[in-house]
Amino acid sequence: GAVVSQHPSWVICKSGTSVKIECRSLDFQATTMFWYRQFPKQSLMLMATSNEGSKATYEQGVEKDKFLINHASLTLSTLTVTSAHPEDSSFYICSARALTGQGPGTQYFGPGTRLLVL
Amino acid sequence: AQSVAQPEDQVNVAEGNPLTVKCTYSVSGNPYLFWYVQYPNRGLQFLLKYITGDNLVKGSYGFEAEFNKSQTSFHLKKPSALVSDSALYFCAVRALSNDYKLSFGAGTTVTVRA
Repeated sequence: GAVVSQHPSWVICKSGTSVKIECRSLDFQATTMFWYRQFPKQSLMLMATSNEGSKATYEQGVEKDKFLINHASLTLSTLTVTSAHPEDSSFYICSARALTGQGPGTQYFGPGTRLLVL
Repeated sequence: AQSVAQPEDQVNVAEGNPLTVKCTYSVSGNPYLFWYVQYPNRGLQFLLKYITGDNLVKGSYGFEAEFNKSQTSFHLKKPSALVSDSALYFCAVRALSNDYKLSFGAGTTVTVRA
């Protein structure tokens, strides 16, 4: 149980294009999902908190117009990197907060999406 | 503010030997503490957590961690390491009162040699 999927797992795009990453909780409902960014051999940096049916909350320094987040249902959140540039290349990981199972507040993570902007 | 320190970038052990990965934390109030493991090009897998109760927490794959409030530590341990335990380990903390945001340590790379 508590499986989170991400799609796509890999994406290569040209500079200036937009890329959408999906995060789904497969066997549980998640009112809250989180989006992280991870640079090679570094820790996870929280980008934003996504709440179902409301606007996302962005961390300081994260451009909300560049990283658009939509949480349209209890099992799906999307991150769109708009007008991507090479410096946006990174490993993007989502997580979903489980309401039951392992107890309150446990976050379950997706497998990640590696973005390479040429 | 909340933060986590993992003082060791790397831990190397021989297969069959005990494994310890250190973690100390700073948080206002009572903490929720977590350990996750990450394999190359993969997301994080949940290992165990401490919320309240017994200070010794048992988790997946034979791992356990001990919460020590006086030392603000939550070290991860495994009595007998396996080669397959080689991975990147993250400790994370959040305060009971915050909106579920986790703060992660920098990570510790564990290498278990055969």
